[in-house]
Amino acid sequence: GAVVSQHPSWVICKSGTSVKIECRSLDFQATTMFWYRQFPKQSLMLMATSNEGSKATYEQGVEKDKFLINHASLTLSTLTVTSAHPEDSSFYICSARVSDTNSPLHFGNGTRLTVT
Amino acid sequence: AQTVTQSQPEMSVQEAETVTLSCTYDTSESDYYLFWYKQPPSRQMILVIRQEAYKQQNATENRFSVNFQKAAKSFSLKISDSQLGDAAMYFCAYRRGAQKLVFGQGTRLTINP
Repeated sequence: GAVVSQHPSWVICKSGTSVKIECRSLDFQATTMFWYRQFPKQSLMLMATSNEGSKATYEQGVEKDKFLINHASLTLSTLTVTSAHPEDSSFYICSARVSDTNSPLHFGNGTRLTVT
Repeated sequence: AQTVTQSQPEMSVQEAETVTLSCTYDTSESDYYLFWYKQPPSRQMILVIRQEAYKQQNATENRFSVNFQKAAKSFSLKISDSQLGDAAMYFCAYRRGAQKLVFGQGTRLTINP
C-alpha cells in the first residue's frame, strides 16, 4: 500500500528558531499534499494544500509567512515553521494523494513539535 | 461550506459488543465521498472505511460497516464484535472530488474488557 513518511517524528526547538518538517511519499507520486495541525484532543485542521510545482494554498487564518510550504517534487513536501513560538507547539500531520481524485488520502505518522 | 458533525465526544462499549458512532454532514452537493478514520494513541491516521455518495449500497469492511442515509445526510459507523484494538479516536470526514478533506470533531471510543 501507499506509504507516506514524515520526519522528524518529534522535535523540540527553542523559541525564535525555525523547524523544517518533511513529508515524503515513498512508493507513489503525490501531486497534492496536505498539511494539518492537531491540538490535543481536537480534530485535524487543514493548514494548507500543496501542489507540486506551484504555490501552496493556505486556509483562512494560517499565516503563510509563518508556515512555509514547499512542494518541489512529486514525492516531497516540506513545512517550515519560522520563528517558532510556544503557541506553535502542536502535532503536525501531512497527507498525500495521487492525481486521481478518487484515490484516498494517505497520512504520515505526524510530527510533535514542542517549542520551549 | 461543508461541515461534519460528530455529536458523541466519547463512547464506550463492552468487548465483543456492537457500537455505533454517529456522523452528520451538511452539503449541497450530490456527488462526494465520506470516510471514517481511526486515530489510535500512536496518532497515525488509518482509513477504516469509505463511501461514495452515488452508491446506494452501504460500505462494509470486515467488522466495520456504515449506515449511509443520503437524504438525511447521515453516515454512522457500526463496529461489530468490538476488540480492544478498536480503542481510538474516530473521525468522520467528507470530501468532494479533489477538494480538501473536512473532518468532524472526533469520537473517542473506549473498549471495556
